[in-house]
Amino acid sequence: EAQVTQNPRYLITVTGKKLTVTCSQNMNHEYMSWYRQDPGLGLRQIYYSMNVEVTDKGDVPEGYKVSRKEKRNFPLILESPSPNQTSLYFCATMGGLGPGEQYFGPGTRLTVT
Amino acid sequence: GEDVEQSLFLSVREGDSSVINCTYTDSSSTYLYWYKQEPGAGLQLLTYIFSNMDMKQDQRLTVLLNKKDKHLSLRIADTQTGDSAIYFCAEGEGANNLFFGTGTRLTVIP
Repeated sequence: EAQVTQNPRYLITVTGKKLTVTCSQNMNHEYMSWYRQDPGLGLRQIYYSMNVEVTDKGDVPEGYKVSRKEKRNFPLILESPSPNQTSLYFCATMGGLGPGEQYFGPGTRLTVT
Repeated sequence: GEDVEQSLFLSVREGDSSVINCTYTDSSSTYLYWYKQEPGAGLQLLTYIFSNMDMKQDQRLTVLLNKKDKHLSLRIADTQTGDSAIYFCAEGEGANNLFFGTGTRLTVIP
């Protein structure tokens, strides 16, 4: 079964405490990306990765880092979280069969106090 | 940047048709998409349409694209309570260039 998993699903943390949200996929997809979802703003892309060791900024990359050391994993790193990063985060993949082959993870709800 | 707009709320009675509308500004988009988000879940790609098409039908779903007016719509026939969700439209040229609307919350009244 095609699956994108994210951990943790919920996280409450304090300002400045480094955290990592993991994303893993079992479909051997080359392309992975991270989005944040905020009320009234829809989804905005943070970072994306076209392949292993290839990453690039999306629309809202400030305050985030990513790495793509292996194809199946694409962690999102917040080195020093701030309250404005309180949001719902989604990892997504896209396969080589075309635009119809897209999968989203279940989301990670992050609260930074 | 690109602007994709949707109305925030829509209520319909069970069995009626739902029409969710979306306007966009980037006329160079190759694909336009519709996603469904159920409570507590990620987005699920429902359907997409290539920019040189006017219409696409997939079972209860009909997508209409008016390129001249930059208007996209999703019609759900015979709407069921299980269709209650947030629906997002998005436009873009490729995977790394997707721009999403704000989402329309569809409520189906039994």
